[in-house]
Amino acid sequence: GIQVEQSPPDLILQEGANSTLRCNFSDSVNNLQWFHQNPWGQLINLFYIPSGTKQNGRLSATTVATERYSLLYISSSQTTDSGVYFCAVEQIGANSKLTFGKGITLSVRP
Amino acid sequence: NAGVTQTPKFQVLKTGQSMTLQCAQDMNHNSMYWYRQDPGMGLRLIYYSASEGTTDKGEVPNGYNVSRLNKREFSLRLESAAPSQTSVYFCASRPVWSTEAFFGQGTRLTVV
Repeated sequence: GIQVEQSPPDLILQEGANSTLRCNFSDSVNNLQWFHQNPWGQLINLFYIPSGTKQNGRLSATTVATERYSLLYISSSQTTDSGVYFCAVEQIGANSKLTFGKGITLSVRP
Repeated sequence: NAGVTQTPKFQVLKTGQSMTLQCAQDMNHNSMYWYRQDPGMGLRLIYYSASEGTTDKGEVPNGYNVSRLNKREFSLRLESAAPSQTSVYFCASRPVWSTEAFFGQGTRLTVV
């Protein structure tokens, strides 16, 4: 099956700093989603981005499907950005099944 | 519009007990899924239902059964709970016209 690797595994930022989170995947996909899992365990859907670039406030994401990677940018980080960020992909032909990476744990310090 | 609703939110079971996790979506989605999340890991697919009347195994189906009761509801049953099934369980759904998945709030299950 498809492999999904996220990096770095852990990230510590000072409030106000910018960061880039990376997701590499091993095969062609027809779905890629970024999620934020907050400290209460809720999965928040950040971006649905199988290709191209999207922005939502301080967050933006870019997926280069031909090169099999996606980037999540967080600008002017806030303590509420802390949590785990997951990338999930659906391999073409995988019959609608999402494969998740192991996540990136982000800690934003005041 | 509630989206994907899971019940219960928390549950503690004794080894050997049975229980059913409920999931309902009000978005008229065709596909529904059950995932589990263990510490330090991403979510792994247990079972899914591509459409009403069909179910298929995912990556980690052992110890679970599912029922697609109707288009809205997809339940996950543990017949004889084991400590290895202590996890957070997420239900998700997806429409036929998109590949985007929508997740419920999760059920935190502890088996002692």
